Amino acid sequence: GAGVSQSPSNKVTEKGKDVELRCDPISGHTALYWYRQSLGQGLEFLIYFQGNSAPDKSGLPSDRFSAERTGGSVSTLTIQRTQQEDSAVYLCASSPGLAGDPGELFFGEGSRLTVL
Amino acid sequence: SQKIEQNSEALNIQEGKTATLTCNYTNYSPAYLQWYRQDPGRGPVFLLLIRENEKEKRKERLKVTFDTTLKQSLFHITASQPADSATYLCALYNQGGKLIFGQGTELSVKP
Repeated sequence: GAGVSQSPSNKVTEKGKDVELRCDPISGHTALYWYRQSLGQGLEFLIYFQGNSAPDKSGLPSDRFSAERTGGSVSTLTIQRTQQEDSAVYLCASSPGLAGDPGELFFGEGSRLTVL
Repeated sequence: SQKIEQNSEALNIQEGKTATLTCNYTNYSPAYLQWYRQDPGRGPVFLLLIRENEKEKRKERLKVTFDTTLKQSLFHITASQPADSATYLCALYNQGGKLIFGQGTELSVKP
């Protein structure tokens, strides 16, 4: 596709359930980021993938959060045993990821998660 | 600890005036700094990038300055229009490749 695609766009779940959020980056982009944005807040860094390197997971808030990126393309963010404080918009972004110059990030429209 | 600070209070200005937004940072040595625009319910959109060895960058009505001594970037929109109303985010690229965002400043341009 032409841009970064995220699904689902909206997800309502019950506390304690697991959720999976998907990101399809721009073809050829080697860098992929996940951010979380709570209502009226800025972007909170979660995780960063760059090519075949080990991901930077330093922003994941707890061990209930995990992410993987298969084949250097599609990424899935998984939240286990969701809590109400996990409610937020989860944004994915990709970039060409050139060494030393990652360049601009291209964002998807986000997945809005509501935990009841 | 590392911090990126943008004015949390919304900036309200009159159409035609210049809007100036501030981004301050501490305990970072960024290789470059970016500015993004975010409209409600949308993902951020890239506007400008400025590198550590550049003082100023311009693009149409936008101007960004980067002072690594003051640890500050200023983002200017000249001849502002109501369509410029949005939240503006600064982001720093630190060693290690990840881009860290400030909390954003909401700009409202009144006709």
